[in-house]
Amino acid sequence: EAGVTQFPSHSVIEKGQTVTLRCDPISGHDNLYWYRRVMGKEIKFLLHFVKESKQDESGMPNNRFLAERTGGTYSTLKVQPAELEDSGVYFCASSPAGERSRYNEQFFGPGTRLTVL
Amino acid sequence: GQSLEQPSEVTAVEGAIVQINCTYQTSGFYGLSWYQQHDGGAPTFLSYNALDGLEETGRFSSFLSRSDSYGYLLLQELQMKDSASYFCAVRDPGENQGGKLIFGQGTELSVKP
Repeated sequence: EAGVTQFPSHSVIEKGQTVTLRCDPISGHDNLYWYRRVMGKEIKFLLHFVKESKQDESGMPNNRFLAERTGGTYSTLKVQPAELEDSGVYFCASSPAGERSRYNEQFFGPGTRLTVL
Repeated sequence: GQSLEQPSEVTAVEGAIVQINCTYQTSGFYGLSWYQQHDGGAPTFLSYNALDGLEETGRFSSFLSRSDSYGYLLLQELQMKDSASYFCAVRDPGENQGGKLIFGQGTELSVKP
């Protein structure tokens, strides 16, 4: 079974540019999450999809961030325009629905390291 | 709100035992989890405690005391490959299942030869 994959692994952009991150969850996982870790700090929640619907977007920093989940499969997170403080590692995670979601376990991807110059 | 506190870094030698503590404050509680992250890699699930006591999985054990809002991860027979960041996490109490995780800031464990 393939794990959660993310693309790109690294992205370096100039302030004001646009970047789109992609996440492919584990097949069959209804729950998809985006998290971010800024240098040395905690992993912070951004957004939660259940299938194609946004269940919780309380962690999205501002309206420069836009997340979508097409057809309940892969998800994209777009940052437009990027600011210096958006630098960090963006993780995607997925988990199965309902009773199959045991032990609070979420399956994480390797992350996209975003650097805004 | 929810918050978790853990030490920022711990150093130990190969073969030793190390304990990483975590205290939490939540309005509700659905268990304490631990994740491991090697530099540049994906956080991976290590353990979960919903009830008080010790859960053992090989060299790793995790403990929970709900009355003290406290838990710890115990790593035995440390190996160099155990050098990583370790995060404690709780699930957001607003959702019964499938909700977001709230993480501590992470403890960077360095294992020396």
